[in-house]
Amino acid sequence: ETGVTQTPRHLVMGMTNKKSLKCEQHLGHNAMYWYKQSAKKPLELMFVYSLEERVENNSVPSRFSPECPNSSHLFLHLHTLQPEDSALYLCASSQDWSGGWGTGELFFGEGSRLTVL
Amino acid sequence: ILNVEQSPQSLHVQEGDSTNFTCSFPSSNFYALHWYRWETAKSPEALFVMTLNGDEKKKGRISATLNTKEGYSYLYIKGSQPEDSATYLCALSGNTPLVFGKGTRLSVIA
Repeated sequence: ETGVTQTPRHLVMGMTNKKSLKCEQHLGHNAMYWYKQSAKKPLELMFVYSLEERVENNSVPSRFSPECPNSSHLFLHLHTLQPEDSALYLCASSQDWSGGWGTGELFFGEGSRLTVL
Repeated sequence: ILNVEQSPQSLHVQEGDSTNFTCSFPSSNFYALHWYRWETAKSPEALFVMTLNGDEKKKGRISATLNTKEGYSYLYIKGSQPEDSATYLCALSGNTPLVFGKGTRLSVIA
């Protein structure tokens, strides 16, 4: 069993749909992250939650809405997306959040491949 | 905004060849340099974290070095095997959360 599980693995949605991506970590970590991987671009940090509080929000459009109900679960709610939002969305966790000043490794899920038609 | 550059973008080597690639970063505001290995359809996995100038880390046939003064890190793979085929990401931590490079995609041909 992997430490970080993402569902669904693949999602196709229309621009008017509302869907959610789910992430669950079984590692007892305190920080969780959403990253976006677009073609030919580096991994881009979207959101960070530490102890269920959002601590980082990298100018992400409001059509992406994160939710962290507890330290093990992280959601990304999607609504009225655009075709350019099609990408691989990766969830990750780490033991703690140090605001960047840390050496803790990230543990990633396998990603949710999103296609917006 | 931190800029992490990786080169080459992609690389094809024969099985048994040794290879290396580069991660360049601004030397100011540096705290740690991370290397991740990302196989297709799997999740990225951490290889090394380095903080000190001159650091060298090794895991099996893979090793990495760090030069914080000139702002670069090298990743070396000795005697490449097909299972080494993956994208190798480097990432920088400092006064911002991890900033990733675009990666070097390695293909090892049997």
